[in-house]
Amino acid sequence: SYEMTQPLSVSVALGQTARITCGGNNIGSKNVHWYQQKPGQAPVLVIYRDNNRPSGIPERFSGSNSGNTATLTISRAQAGDEADYYCQVWDSTTYVFGTGTKVTVL
Amino acid sequence: EVQLLESGGGLVQPGGSLRLSCAASGFTFSSYAMNWVRQAPGKGLEWVSTVSGSGGSTFYADSVKGRFTISRDNSKNTLYLQMNSLRAEDTAVYYCAKTCETSPGFCMDVWGKGTTVTVSS
Repeated sequence: SYEMTQPLSVSVALGQTARITCGGNNIGSKNVHWYQQKPGQAPVLVIYRDNNRPSGIPERFSGSNSGNTATLTISRAQAGDEADYYCQVWDSTTYVFGTGTKVTVL
Repeated sequence: EVQLLESGGGLVQPGGSLRLSCAASGFTFSSYAMNWVRQAPGKGLEWVSTVSGSGGSTFYADSVKGRFTISRDNSKNTLYLQMNSLRAEDTAVYYCAKTCETSPGFCMDVWGKGTTVTVSS
């Protein structure tokens, strides 16, 4: 079965840029979606199909996907961006979520 | 406003059964595939099951195949998850989520608040 690996945690200084990676075999050939989840809340879609933002998501959130790594980038990080982030793909007939990354804004 | 509201969670003994429901509103329910995603305490997200808009196609994670059944009633705008032979490792918050597009396999753009299932004796 397909697997995707994310770093357990990423720290970023307030106002700086955070990059969260999602590694998987030839993930560049798949559509990657990213979700933000704050404690006690349901996940929220922040990037779909590699690099598209749903309405209401700030331009500070962007994505890329190539080779064996997809990346979610948070520019000008704010305290409100502290959350867990998950990548997701559809592989054949199943959804797969990444292991999740906790982002801390210092 | 697009909304999903789960219900039916609770405490159940190992080996028992439970049926979750998800009431949808604010969109044409029958036009979208729907999903169940769960999250065990302190753990990450785990996809459970997906059903196509018509209900004719269903997909399951290996961890629940043969024990859980997803279904939908488009006349009632409601999604279901029948859970049988429950195990302690099924303990989780269960989220209902709408697929971004008509077919399975796309992003999930609307999520419910979740319902908690606890399997314990």
